[in-house]
Amino acid sequence: GQQLNQSPQSMFIQEGEDVSMNCTSSSIFNTWLWYKQDPGEGPVLLIALYKAGELTSNGRLTAQFGITRKDSFLNISASIPSDVGIYFCAGQGGSEKLVFGKGTKLTVNP
Amino acid sequence: GAVVSQHPSWVICKSGTSVKIECRSLDFQATTMFWYRQFPKKSLMLMATSNEGSKATYEQGVEKDKFLINHASLTLSTLTVTSAHPEDSSFYICSAGTNVGGGTTFGEQFFGPGTRLTVL
Repeated sequence: GQQLNQSPQSMFIQEGEDVSMNCTSSSIFNTWLWYKQDPGEGPVLLIALYKAGELTSNGRLTAQFGITRKDSFLNISASIPSDVGIYFCAGQGGSEKLVFGKGTKLTVNP
Repeated sequence: GAVVSQHPSWVICKSGTSVKIECRSLDFQATTMFWYRQFPKKSLMLMATSNEGSKATYEQGVEKDKFLINHASLTLSTLTVTSAHPEDSSFYICSAGTNVGGGTTFGEQFFGPGTRLTVL
């Protein structure tokens, strides 16, 4: 089945630093999504990307849909303590099903 | 935004008992609901897709007789873990979709807060 490779697996940064994480796939997706999950909670959608090459921002978050449709990245600028959590990429192909990456655990030191 | 609730938020049960988890879309009608399972420090794994009024479609390796899914209305889907065993302990998350996208895209899926199941 389809799999997503998400990296890095974890990040430890200082408050104020920028963060970048990415996902790659062996197959093409029509939609790329980025979620954040807090402990004991369900994922919350941060950014959705629908077109190859699309670059979309949501506050301090910016994500891009790779032109090959096999990759995407998420950047967080000027990190703050509440950015702590696990970030997941997800791809959607020819059906409604979402394929999730393995997650990037972000720790922000004040 | 759209809200999806799950009940209970956590449950502890004895081995051999059955547990029912409810997933409700509170302010919209969901054409499709999805059930995921998440182990500690792991990703979400899709278990099954359910459409209102029809049988659920299970992912490979998921036992349909073990994980019974009922989608009786456009706002409610239930997952019953039958004869639960300790290895069924996990975080179960549902999502609800509206399937209103166009072309090659689909509508957003809204996730519930999850249910922590612990089987003793």
